[in-house]
Amino acid sequence: GAGVSQTPSNKVTEKGKYVELRCDPISGHTALYWYRQSLGQGPEFLIYFQGTGAADDSGLPNDRFFAVRPEGSVSTLKIQRTERGDSAVYLCASSETDQETQYFGPGTRLLVL
Amino acid sequence: DQQVKQNSPSLRVQEGRISILNCDYTNSMFDYFLWYKKYPAEGPTFLISISSIKDKNEDGRFTVFLNKSAKHLSLHIVPSQPGDSAVYFCAASARRNQGGKLIFGQGTELSVKP
Repeated sequence: GAGVSQTPSNKVTEKGKYVELRCDPISGHTALYWYRQSLGQGPEFLIYFQGTGAADDSGLPNDRFFAVRPEGSVSTLKIQRTERGDSAVYLCASSETDQETQYFGPGTRLLVL
Repeated sequence: DQQVKQNSPSLRVQEGRISILNCDYTNSMFDYFLWYKKYPAEGPTFLISISSIKDKNEDGRFTVFLNKSAKHLSLHIVPSQPGDSAVYFCAASARRNQGGKLIFGQGTELSVKP
């Protein structure tokens, strides 16, 4: 069966630009998570959705970051006015419910020049 | 503050021997713990998990041990194989209170040599 997919796999942008990162979860998974991984570090929690609503957005670093999941399936992470410090691998994961094991996508590698 | 810590950035083991990866945590609210394995340019892959009501869980060559009083868990791989070479992340969650949000350690890079 299809796993979690993320697009694009790589994104290079310039400082100050807007980017959107997309995540397609495993079909039927109600919980969806976004994490960010910097070089040499473990993934860092950003936000998670239960259905269409954000159940916990405590990890979003500032108001330049926003995520949506309008129909309870695909999610988009949006970053405004990108900064060089936003460069990282952005990982998406999904699980059947928020009490079940999370399965990760391959990530989007974002580079802000 | 680092709530989940993996103090060994790397570990080298001979093929066929045991690999032991360690993880410490500080938050007593954590009630579920997982190990993920990550190859370069791929997302983390789930390996094994353990609930705080248990002290051991085994799946094939992989065993996770949990010592709640010491706030310590470990992953044992035996026998180790060259294909096990990857970065291993320990993760914890407080499912009862915070749903599935995972807090990860920094990772330990395991290298298994033939």
